[in-house]
Amino acid sequence: GAGVSQSPSNKVTEKGKDVELRCDPISGHTALYWYRQRLGQGLEFLIYFQGNSAPDKSGLPSDRFSAERTGESVSTLTIQRTQQEDSAVYLCASSPSPTPFYGYTFGSGTRLTVV
Amino acid sequence: EDQVTQSPEALRLQEGESSSLNCSYTVSGLRGLFWYRQDPGKGPEFLFTLYSAGEEKEKERLKATLTKKESFLHITAPKPEDSATYLCAVQDPNSGYALNFGKGTSLLVTP
Repeated sequence: GAGVSQSPSNKVTEKGKDVELRCDPISGHTALYWYRQRLGQGLEFLIYFQGNSAPDKSGLPSDRFSAERTGESVSTLTIQRTQQEDSAVYLCASSPSPTPFYGYTFGSGTRLTVV
Repeated sequence: EDQVTQSPEALRLQEGESSSLNCSYTVSGLRGLFWYRQDPGKGPEFLFTLYSAGEEKEKERLKATLTKKESFLHITAPKPEDSATYLCAVQDPNSGYALNFGKGTSLLVTP
């Protein structure tokens, strides 16, 4: 597609429920990133996928968070047993290069609200 | 400890009133400093990458500069459409790809 597509754009869930967020990167972009943006905070790195290499999960805040990517296409971020502190905008970005030097293309994000 | 600190948090300018945004960083061995623009309800949009002290990049009314401890985003004769949050980021020294972002400067340009 023309850009990075994320769905849903908004998600309200009850505390303790599981949620799944989806990201469709730009076709041909081998690198895919998930970031979290909490109100009043800078973007926080969560996870990085590059081609068929093992993902870098070092930014995931707890074992309730997991992510998968199918080849060089769609990625899903799953949050189990959601907590109120998980409320944030979850942003996906893709890049044609393994390095950030040429800039990421971000999607518009999924706004997650845990009530 | 924050690696990237942006100031001011918010800035209001009249159309045509030039100013600068500041990004201070503490990471050693800088491998790249990045500027992004974020509009409400949208993901950040890439503006510039700076690699070394003394480097400058320009795009329309924006010019980014880099020293050994900070970067400036100069906005010359801004227009209302320049209103956005401007984000600064540095490459995480412990990875080859993750970025550490500042909290941003929210810029409002009034007619």
